[in-house]
Amino acid sequence: GAGVSQSPRYKVAKRGQDVALRCDPISGHVSLFWYQQALGQGPEFLTYFQNEAQLDKSGLPSDRFFAERPEGSVSTLKIQRTQQEDSAVYLCASSLSDFSGNTIYFGEGSWLTVV
Amino acid sequence: GQQLNQSPQSMFIQEGEDVSMNCTSSSIFNTWLWYKQDPGEGPVLLIALYKAGELTSNGRLTAQFGITRKDSFLNISASIPSDVGIYFCAGPINAGGTSYGKLTFGQGTILTVHP
Repeated sequence: GAGVSQSPRYKVAKRGQDVALRCDPISGHVSLFWYQQALGQGPEFLTYFQNEAQLDKSGLPSDRFFAERPEGSVSTLKIQRTQQEDSAVYLCASSLSDFSGNTIYFGEGSWLTVV
Repeated sequence: GQQLNQSPQSMFIQEGEDVSMNCTSSSIFNTWLWYKQDPGEGPVLLIALYKAGELTSNGRLTAQFGITRKDSFLNISASIPSDVGIYFCAGPINAGGTSYGKLTFGQGTILTVHP
């Protein structure tokens, strides 16, 4: 497709379970971002890739969160030993390159519920 | 950190009315972005502002970059039912030497339009 694609759209995990969320950015987009959006809040930055390099992971809330983009295209956000406070929408976004003026396109999000 | 405060938190209006919402910050921003998020979807960019005092339109939407660089306004004229959604302002975190896609978002304004 032409947009940012995320899967799964919905995930229910038992507390303590590991989850993996996938993001397919727009073809040719160098920059890729992950955001977390809690219910009723705006998105919050988690991490940023330029090609395969993870240049900023300052927003990852704990060492249970891990993101990778090994070939500079598809990215995976992994959450280990999920906890209830991890319940949120995880948004992936991409842009052609990281310059002011380049539009950042968001995917539809992966909705994670931890029970 | 840099926080964006949006007001009002929610609005209930009649179809055809004009809408105005704003976003303020204690820090200076060099870019202001306005996004709309529909239920179950990711945010979609409406308007981007790059210069203090700039006034930019996109159809029935008009946004302004405040002279102080600490605020921005979004106006919607002649609202229609499909304007329903959550409107977010956003700007680059710690502008200068950081990713333009590393954004901080306001908490959103929920717009409801009654036919």
